[in-house]
Amino acid sequence: DQQVKQNSPSLSVQEGRISILNCDYTNSMFDYFLWYKKYPAEGPTFLISISSIKDKNEDGRFTVFLNKSAKHLSLHIVPSQPGDSAVYFCAASASLAGANSKLTFGKGITLSVRP
Amino acid sequence: DGGITQSPKYLFRKEGQNVTLSCEQNLNHDAMYWYRQDPGQGLRLIYYSQIVNDFQKGDIAEGYSVSREKKESFPLTVTSAQKNPTAFYLCASSIGQRGNQPQHFGDGTRLSIL
Repeated sequence: DQQVKQNSPSLSVQEGRISILNCDYTNSMFDYFLWYKKYPAEGPTFLISISSIKDKNEDGRFTVFLNKSAKHLSLHIVPSQPGDSAVYFCAASASLAGANSKLTFGKGITLSVRP
Repeated sequence: DGGITQSPKYLFRKEGQNVTLSCEQNLNHDAMYWYRQDPGQGLRLIYYSQIVNDFQKGDIAEGYSVSREKKESFPLTVTSAQKNPTAFYLCASSIGQRGNQPQHFGDGTRLSIL
């Protein structure tokens, strides 16, 4: 049972335009969400996170939106740059579950930004 | 320069052989984690440790073992009992035990079978 779903395996966007990466979750206990970026043969790099007490968090070109009622979050990248081409993973945790809370990852979305 | 170091970058295992993957961090993080990534899949948790001399099984612990004798080190042994060990292995750490803190990753070890 996949608790974090990234249903679109890939996305292609023109340089300078907006990239919107979507993520859905099923576990209502999840209250902390993260996005990671990963290049081939490297480890994931933490991008941005959001707590369930917020519906938006912004960091430079990256904004994450959270819709708790729909159990949906999205990562917006504006403007998109060729260096953004990578695999993006959505992850979630039930932080209030205490010390044993763990991150659950989606399968990732491959973003390609065309020059 | 603080970070997480995984070694080796590439590793080959013969049938029936145990191999150990190294993970060292100088971030002074309490918690450390091991994940496995297969093609087209997300990261799956193998083992995690929230404090020295303590560790817990993750979702796919069978065929793996770990130790946490030092805060900065969390080696993973892939035993001969793991029948499908070919994968990309990632080590991560976080400041504390709570789930509302980001995990930071090393650059991974790719394990293949000879």
